[in-house]
Amino acid sequence: DTGVSQDPRHKITKRGQNVTFRCDPISEHNRLYWYRQTLGQGPEFLTYFQNEAQLEKSRLLSDRFSAERPKGSFSTLEIQRTEQGDSAMYLCASSRDLVTGELFFGEGSRLTVL
Amino acid sequence: AQRVTQPEKLLSVFKGAPVELKCNYSYSGSPELFWYVQYSRQRLQLLLRHISRESIKGFTADLNKGETSFHLKKPFAQEEDSAMYYCALKGASGSRLTFGEGTQLTVNP
Repeated sequence: DTGVSQDPRHKITKRGQNVTFRCDPISEHNRLYWYRQTLGQGPEFLTYFQNEAQLEKSRLLSDRFSAERPKGSFSTLEIQRTEQGDSAMYLCASSRDLVTGELFFGEGSRLTVL
Repeated sequence: AQRVTQPEKLLSVFKGAPVELKCNYSYSGSPELFWYVQYSRQRLQLLLRHISRESIKGFTADLNKGETSFHLKKPFAQEEDSAMYYCALKGASGSRLTFGEGTQLTVNP
């Protein structure tokens, strides 16, 4: 499967712990996006990268959240001091520079904070 | 600010009946509109975009700037159309897609 892959698929953690999610985009895609989706809601934009540069961050991305994309390949999303409100599906997507609007999504990483 | 509204969370029709999934948007400039679909146990994927003006799996959508709408239509629904549908907007100045809350379509036999 050469699509977007995310790891882990499921993570259960206790409040206050740190978690990290990894996303491997489609190899020729320059842009990488993180979205968060809670039950009954559509995906909400968190941040995006073009190559290794983080070009846009949502106000949803509090200072407990940090995302990186070293070398413009895979990306990580870290949540520090997790809270119960962080429980959600974290979606990664990638796209090519010249193709607007078509995002290729991964299957998501589901986070449950107890 | 950009906003997408899908007024129906659930929509149920019978096989062969016409179906229309509503989408309204709020954006001050010229938006690009998309429909994404998520079938059961599959990942979210692009269904169609307004600039392509194409029909995908029998679905069409017309951008109505006067009514700020981008409704998704299909004349004869099929059971395999059952899925969650999301309308999404991309503003001219940015790269982010803003999604609506989604409509769960169920096509009954």
